[in-house]
Amino acid sequence: SQQGEEDPQALSIQEGENATMNCSYKTSINNLQWYRQNSGRGLVHLILIRSNEREKHSGRLRVTLDTSKKSSSLLITASRAADTASYFCATDAYYGGSQGNLIFGKGTKLSVKP
Amino acid sequence: ETGVTQTPRHLVMGMTNKKSLKCEQHLGHNAMYWYKQSAKKPLELMFVYNFKEQTENNSVPSRFSPECPNSSHLFLHLHTLQPEDSALYLCASSQSTGQGESQYFGPGTRLLVL
Repeated sequence: SQQGEEDPQALSIQEGENATMNCSYKTSINNLQWYRQNSGRGLVHLILIRSNEREKHSGRLRVTLDTSKKSSSLLITASRAADTASYFCATDAYYGGSQGNLIFGKGTKLSVKP
Repeated sequence: ETGVTQTPRHLVMGMTNKKSLKCEQHLGHNAMYWYKQSAKKPLELMFVYNFKEQTENNSVPSRFSPECPNSSHLFLHLHTLQPEDSALYLCASSQSTGQGESQYFGPGTRLLVL
C-alpha cells in the first residue's frame, strides 16, 4: 500500500521564488528521504532525515519532519530553472522481513520558469 | 549518474518476445533493486537482492524473472509481457538493505510492449 503522499501534485513557480512540497505518510517510520527525478531519468537522492530529527539543511534545501503529524516538507530556496524535476519522498517503515525497503509517493512535479 | 548503468535505455518488444534488461553498479554496494515506474503511479518495488540472494519479491508476475549473478550485476528477464507492462524500469543499489540507506538509481530502461 502507498506510504508517502506528496502534495501538491504539480507546482509552477518563477525563478528565484521558493518552492515548498509536502509529504504525508501513514505508519511509523525510521527515516524519510527525498529524491529528485529529471524527466525520464533515474532518481537522485537529495537528503535523509531521521525520525528523531526535526529539521535538516543541505545547500538550498531545507527538510522538516513532524512525526506527530506524520508529515514532512521540502523547501527549495531561490529556485532555478535547473530545479525543474519531480520530487519524491520515501519512507522505510519496518514491515517484518522488509526492513529498510523504501516506499515512494507519487511525487510533486515542479516547474521553475526562467 | 555513472555509478549505476542500465542497458538498453529504450526497448520495444512484442508480447511473444523474450528480452533482458541489464543493470550494473560500480559503487561496491551489496544490495540491488528493480523498480517499475508507470505514469501517474508511485514507484513500485519489484525485487530486492542482498549479497546476491533475493530477499523480496513484491508479488511480481512470473513473466518477470530476475537474476543476480554477483553483487554488481542484476538482470530482469522478460517474456510474454502484456501492454500494461510498458513502463520505465529502474535499477538501484545501496550499501545494504538496512535502515537509513540511500539508494542510487540508474537512468532506467523505457520499455514499450506492443
